[in-house]
Amino acid sequence: AQTVTQSQPEMSVQEAETVTLSCTYDTSENNYYLFWYKQPPSRQMILVIRQEAYKQQNATENRFSVNFQKAAKSFSLKISDSQLGDTAMYFCAFNDMRFGAGTRLTVKP
Amino acid sequence: DTGVSQDPRHKITKRGQNVTFRCDPISEHNRLYWYRQTLGQGPEFLTYFQNEAQLEKSRLLSDRFSAERPKGSFSTLEIQRTEQGDSAMYLCASSSTRTSGSADTQYFGPGTRLTVL
Repeated sequence: AQTVTQSQPEMSVQEAETVTLSCTYDTSENNYYLFWYKQPPSRQMILVIRQEAYKQQNATENRFSVNFQKAAKSFSLKISDSQLGDTAMYFCAFNDMRFGAGTRLTVKP
Repeated sequence: DTGVSQDPRHKITKRGQNVTFRCDPISEHNRLYWYRQTLGQGPEFLTYFQNEAQLEKSRLLSDRFSAERPKGSFSTLEIQRTEQGDSAMYLCASSSTRTSGSADTQYFGPGTRLTVL
C-alpha cells in the first residue's frame, strides 16, 4: 500500500523568505502523480502544484516549485517570497487518494 | 461552473441517529471521492466512484457507512447509527480522468462538519 509521510507537523517563516516542506512516499509503482494541496483556515482545499512521475523536470507554478527525487521517493515543496496568504495547512498527496498528515505553515509579518 | 458543493455544511445529531450528506461535483467530472478529516489531520480516503460505479471502498469504512452515485452525477453518503467517533469533517472532491486517463487534480467541496452528541 502506498503511504505518504510529512515529517514536519508545523513550520513558520518570515514574510518574503523561502521555506521548504518535506514529503516522502512509498510505492512500487513506476508511473504516478504527486500533488501538493493547500487548505487555508476554514476554507476549501485547493491544488498548489502537481508532478507526473515520468517527467524528470521539476514542476513550477509562480512562487511554488517542487524538488522531485524519484529514486529517493521524495517530493518537497519550496515556497519563495512567502506571503501572509500562504498561511495554511499543506498536504502532500500520492495519486488521487493518499494524503499525508499535513504541515501547518505560518507566515509571520 | 460553480465548483463542488456539499449539503448540509453543518450537522449536529444525537448518537444512534442516521445522517445523510449530499455532494454535487463539477458537472463534467466523472470521478467523485469521499474523505473524512479530523482536526489537524489529512483527508482520510473513504470511497470513490467513476461515473456511477463505486470502484474502491476503504477497509476503514464500517458497514454503517454507505455511499451512492445513482446517475453518475451527485452522490450521497449515509452514516447509520452514528457514534461520537464519527464526528469529523466529511469532504467531497471530484476530478476528471478524461484528459489524463489517470489520477488528476481533485477539486474539493467546502465539507460537511458532523458533530455527534
